[in-house]
Amino acid sequence: EPEVTQTPSHQVTQMGQEVILRCVPISNHLYFYWYRQILGQKVEFLVSFYNNEISEKSEIFDDQFSVERPDGSNFTLKIRSTKLEDSAMYFCASSENRPNFGPGTRLTVT
Amino acid sequence: DQQVKQNSPSLSVQEGRISILNCDYTNSMFDYFLWYKKYPAEGPTFLISISSIKDKNEDGRFTVFLNKSAKHLSLHIVPSQPGDSAVYFCAASVGDNQGGKLIFGQGTELSVKP
Repeated sequence: EPEVTQTPSHQVTQMGQEVILRCVPISNHLYFYWYRQILGQKVEFLVSFYNNEISEKSEIFDDQFSVERPDGSNFTLKIRSTKLEDSAMYFCASSENRPNFGPGTRLTVT
Repeated sequence: DQQVKQNSPSLSVQEGRISILNCDYTNSMFDYFLWYKKYPAEGPTFLISISSIKDKNEDGRFTVFLNKSAKHLSLHIVPSQPGDSAVYFCAASVGDNQGGKLIFGQGTELSVKP
């Protein structure tokens, strides 16, 4: 069964640095998402992406965040200047009729 | 933001018995509900969903019940197996989730004891 894949599995970065989290969605899916889960908290929606543009974003998804589909297969989340509170698991998902989640990237900001 | 609530952080059940996980929501605009299962260090895995036009959906050992008037849904697992031990998340959306966001509950950790 096709799966969403994410790289890296764990990223450690210093505060203020830029990070790019990568995802390969399921190939025939048209909707793409990023969610995050801060340790001990709920899974939270960040952004959805369709037809090469953002279709919806949450209050969390401020100017420090951006998403891109640079080619036909990858879907990336960039955080321009990381803060300590950005430390979380970041899940990519893609959807045909309901979101399929990837295994996540654990981002640790020190 | 407490639009979707799972009030039981944990549940322990004997193997072979029924597990019932509960979820409440406040937003009457929600019309599509999903249950995901999550193991440590993995992403959420879809289990079962239900549209608001139904009150029950069944898939093998898993059944989801929706009570719209009470804004309550539940997931029944019968019979429970040790491999079912995981965190279960209830999620809701407006529309059939073609591009819409999911609002998650806090999760309930199910432990099925042999």
